[in-house]
Amino acid sequence: GNSVTQMEGPVTLSEEAFLTINCTYTATGYPSLFWYVQYPGEGLQLLLKATKADDKGSNKGFEATYRKETTSFHLEKGSVQVSDSAVYFCALSDRKGAGGGNKLTFGTGTQLKVEL
Amino acid sequence: ETGVTQSPTHLIKTRGQQVTLRCSSQSGHNTVSWYQQALGQGPQFIFQYYREEENGRGNFPPRFSGLQFPNYSSELNVNALELDDSALYLCASSTASGSGVEKLFFGSGTQLSVL
Repeated sequence: GNSVTQMEGPVTLSEEAFLTINCTYTATGYPSLFWYVQYPGEGLQLLLKATKADDKGSNKGFEATYRKETTSFHLEKGSVQVSDSAVYFCALSDRKGAGGGNKLTFGTGTQLKVEL
Repeated sequence: ETGVTQSPTHLIKTRGQQVTLRCSSQSGHNTVSWYQQALGQGPQFIFQYYREEENGRGNFPPRFSGLQFPNYSSELNVNALELDDSALYLCASSTASGSGVEKLFFGSGTQLSVL
């Protein structure tokens, strides 16, 4: 079955530091890949996505590239801010047609703490 | 603000009881999915409803059931509650499309505690 593995946290960084959160996946076929972010007390928000190999998703300074050869989708940001403190989830989705019962398979999440 | 609202926000039940959680989808969305997020874990897919019919189910027992109404709002019902059912329950709405890649909009969740 499908699975997502991401690095354990918490990850603690100083403001303006470089961020990498590793994510690898196992899936049949050609899944779509996502990063979701969860701020304290809130639901998940889509951060970025990539739907095919070599696609780069980007949003709010975060980037991730779909690497089929290494089955990876690592999240990066060049300069983190205190406001980026949250839990980050890597996820994949099977490709199915309309109403095909798409589901997301999530990793366990990585907590990021950014300090001044 | 995603437009997906869940109620109640918090709930305390005792083992063996039954619970109903509710979700109002974002306007125009015809698909709703439910996820269970245990403490310190990623969300686990429970099931999805599309046009009022169950359309995909995860590895959850039959005591987890659901409904989707004509206005696309949804309920999650859990019978015979167990201690391990304590979790954050997330609802997500989306619009099914031919590409099969749906952007999910999540609510803030219902925190269920089973004592």
